[in-house]
Amino acid sequence: DSGVTQTPKHLITATGQRVTLRCSPRSGDLSVYWYQQSLDQGLQFLIQYYNGEERAKGNILERFSAQQFPDLHSELNLSSLELGDSALYFCASSAGESSYNEQFFGPGTRLTVL
Amino acid sequence: GEDVEQSLFLSVREGDSSVINCTYTDSSSTYLYWYKQEPGAGLQLLTYIFSNMDMKQDQRLTVLLNKKDKHLSLRIADTQTGDSAIYFCAESIIAGRRALTFGSGTRLQVQP
Repeated sequence: DSGVTQTPKHLITATGQRVTLRCSPRSGDLSVYWYQQSLDQGLQFLIQYYNGEERAKGNILERFSAQQFPDLHSELNLSSLELGDSALYFCASSAGESSYNEQFFGPGTRLTVL
Repeated sequence: GEDVEQSLFLSVREGDSSVINCTYTDSSSTYLYWYKQEPGAGLQLLTYIFSNMDMKQDQRLTVLLNKKDKHLSLRIADTQTGDSAIYFCAESIIAGRRALTFGSGTRLQVQP
């Protein structure tokens, strides 16, 4: 158990819908990262927050957004869902701001768009 | 640009050594990592190496880094069935992006 929790574990929805994925980092960790793992794209970095502020953006679509709240949990919002958004979404947390701080991964949320 | 490549599949017999290879292209990488993903689980950091090192050993794991060829390998000694998983190498860069760039993952199958 990494100490990072993600909810829900599974999510099934239809195209065009909007969903919110939630992540609670390890106690004391200030950075939260979101990653998408799909069969065709592999594991890709989406976005990072550090202590409530956006720090880095990767291959995140405009239809996707995220935020980190004062209690440091984070939410990833996916809207106007398409079939290709079906993937495993991971959250990771680390103590510091830099990527070379060890990142601890949550178990992931599996999103299926029908 | 950044690109991390791995072979997709490796099969070994229990008790043998496994060697998983990775190549990367970004010469400014400073940390390189190996993560393990078991079925239905998240990623677990196994080990990492700083780019000024050539080798790092941690129990059954040995990481070798060839900076000239931008080649990273993970050797698992005395491979067990519990080592069956997908292994990802990843790189991070201190300056610039603050995220990990992952390879496609190598599925290790350990046969009894």
